Amino acid sequence: TQLLEQSPQFLSIQEGENLTVYCNSSSVFSSLQWYRQEPGEGPVLLVTVVTGGEVKKLKRLTFQFGDARKDSSLHITAAQPGDTGLYLCAGSSGAGSYQLTFGKGTKLSVIP
Amino acid sequence: NAGVTQTPKFQVLKTGQSMTLQCAQDMNHEYMSWYRQDPGMGLRLIHYSVGAGITDQGEVPNGYNVSRSTTEDFPLRLLSAAPSQTSVYFCASSYSRILAGAADTQYFGPGTRLTVL
Repeated sequence: TQLLEQSPQFLSIQEGENLTVYCNSSSVFSSLQWYRQEPGEGPVLLVTVVTGGEVKKLKRLTFQFGDARKDSSLHITAAQPGDTGLYLCAGSSGAGSYQLTFGKGTKLSVIP
Repeated sequence: NAGVTQTPKFQVLKTGQSMTLQCAQDMNHEYMSWYRQDPGMGLRLIHYSVGAGITDQGEVPNGYNVSRSTTEDFPLRLLSAAPSQTSVYFCASSYSRILAGAADTQYFGPGTRLTVL
């Protein structure tokens, strides 16, 4: 069974600070996705990374896929209250695999 | 497009009761799945379907049944509800499964919050 460990589990920061969330595994994933979930709603896809070492930017969010495709990070610059939510990473093992493995999530609170 | 819709939004059951959680999507997606989300446990796959008439088990299938008679609908049935099934249930769909190693975007419904007493 492939596992994804996310850290930290909880994060509370002041508006304007930077933060990094990590998603680690001992298994290799063919792709990794990051979702954000707000209270009372379903997760919404932020990004998919596929290539080892790949870096993708989405405004103030920077996503990186590890060279060995076993880990990923999400960095937020100058966090805003609107960034508050649960961040989930999800990995797929490859073509033909129907299942995504989700991490347990990082709950981020950005205090104004 | 309404996307992925789920009904009901909230439900309270007594132990032993049965019920069906409804899920529908209007995006002509092949792949649909059911997850449960529990505090500290993340999202765990219950059942999934890769097309009408085809279903398979995920990580935590016990106590749940599914069927896929149409592309649009993927209901989840609880056969005899137990307190351990208290959870938030999410239905998701995607256009395809996983192509060329890259997972496709999963579109999630708003969830059904189920309490079993």
